Amino acid sequence: GAVVSQHPSWVICKSGTSVKIECRSLDFQATTMFWYRQFPKQSLMLMATSNEGSKATYEQGVEKDKFLINHASLTLSTLTVTSAHPEDSSFYICSARDTGLPEQYFGPGTRLTVT
Amino acid sequence: GNSVTQMEGPVTLSEEAFLTINCTYTATGYPSLFWYVQYPGEGLQLLLKATKADDKGSNKGFEATYRKETTSFHLEKGSVQVSDSAVYFCALSSNDYKLSFGAGTTVTVRA
Repeated sequence: GAVVSQHPSWVICKSGTSVKIECRSLDFQATTMFWYRQFPKQSLMLMATSNEGSKATYEQGVEKDKFLINHASLTLSTLTVTSAHPEDSSFYICSARDTGLPEQYFGPGTRLTVT
Repeated sequence: GNSVTQMEGPVTLSEEAFLTINCTYTATGYPSLFWYVQYPGEGLQLLLKATKADDKGSNKGFEATYRKETTSFHLEKGSVQVSDSAVYFCALSSNDYKLSFGAGTTVTVRA
């Protein structure tokens, strides 16, 4: 149980275009989902927290207009990187939390490369 | 604010050796504590957790005990295998359920 999927696992896009990443909880309802960035050989940096049906809460320094997050249902959250630039290239990871439990379950990550 | 400090790596061990990765934390209130593991090319997996003082989390031969008096949650395994080679992250969450991660410790086990 507690499986989280992400799609795509790997994407290349050109500068100026937008990319959407999906995060799904497959066998539980995710009250809260989280989006992280991970740079090579570094820890995870929390970008934002999203609760189903409400606006995402962004961490300090994260541009909400650039990283659009939608949590339309209890099993799906999306992250859209708008007007992507090469510095947005990174490993993006989502996680989901089931109601009443403190732990988060992580997706396998999405490697974004902006050329 | 919350923070997690874990032992710097990388750590290289021989198979069947004893592994310890130190983790200490600073937090307000009563956090839950976790160890996550990231195998090469994969996402993070929950290895074990403890939600209150003196709880011991265990899984796959790994153990960690929530020590409130020393604000620590050290990870141990008595006999490592090559398949335990991975990056290990200590983490905590407080009332808002946000995770604060340590820097990660890379462990390599050689046959």
